[in-house]
Amino acid sequence: SYVLTQPPSVSVAPGQTARITCGGNNIGSKSVHWYQQKPGQAPVLVVYDDSDRPSGIPERFSGSNSGNTATLTISRVEAGDEADYYCQVWDSSSDQNVVFGGGTKLTVL
Amino acid sequence: QVELVESGGGLVKPGGSLRLSCAASGFTFSDYYMNWIRQAPGKGLEWVSYISSSGTAIYYADSVKGRFTISRDNARSSLYLQMNSLRAEDTAVYYCARLDTAMVKYWGQGTLVTVSS
Repeated sequence: SYVLTQPPSVSVAPGQTARITCGGNNIGSKSVHWYQQKPGQAPVLVVYDDSDRPSGIPERFSGSNSGNTATLTISRVEAGDEADYYCQVWDSSSDQNVVFGGGTKLTVL
Repeated sequence: QVELVESGGGLVKPGGSLRLSCAASGFTFSDYYMNWIRQAPGKGLEWVSYISSSGTAIYYADSVKGRFTISRDNARSSLYLQMNSLRAEDTAVYYCARLDTAMVKYWGQGTLVTVSS
């Protein structure tokens, strides 16, 4: 089955840019979706189809996807962005279609 | 507005059974694939199962195959997960979630299942 690899943690100072990666074999050929999860809450979709934002998500959240790596970029990081972030793809090559990365804890210093 | 409300979680002994329910509202339930996704304490998200809009296509994660059964009642706008032969490693918050073109756009708040003697 398809495997997505994320770094366990990323740290960034307020106002700086955070980049969270999601690695997978030829992930650039798939659509990648990103979720934010704060403690005790359900996940929230923040980026879909590599780089689109649902309504209500700040423009500070953006995404890219090429080759073997997809990236979630959070510009002008705020304290409220501290959360776990998960990437997800649809793997049509198996019956385990919905695949999540292991998650990345974003810490705002 | 879309709302997904899970129920049925609780404490169960290893080997026991539990049935989770999810009540959906705010959209035409019969138009959408639906998922169960779980999260063990302190761990990441794990997809469990999904069911097509009509209920004719069903898939399970290998970790639950043969023990869990997903079903839906479109007339009642409800999703279910029958969990049998429960193990300690099934302890998790279980989320009901709507599948929108391969992404999970809407999530419930989750229901906690604890498997312990």
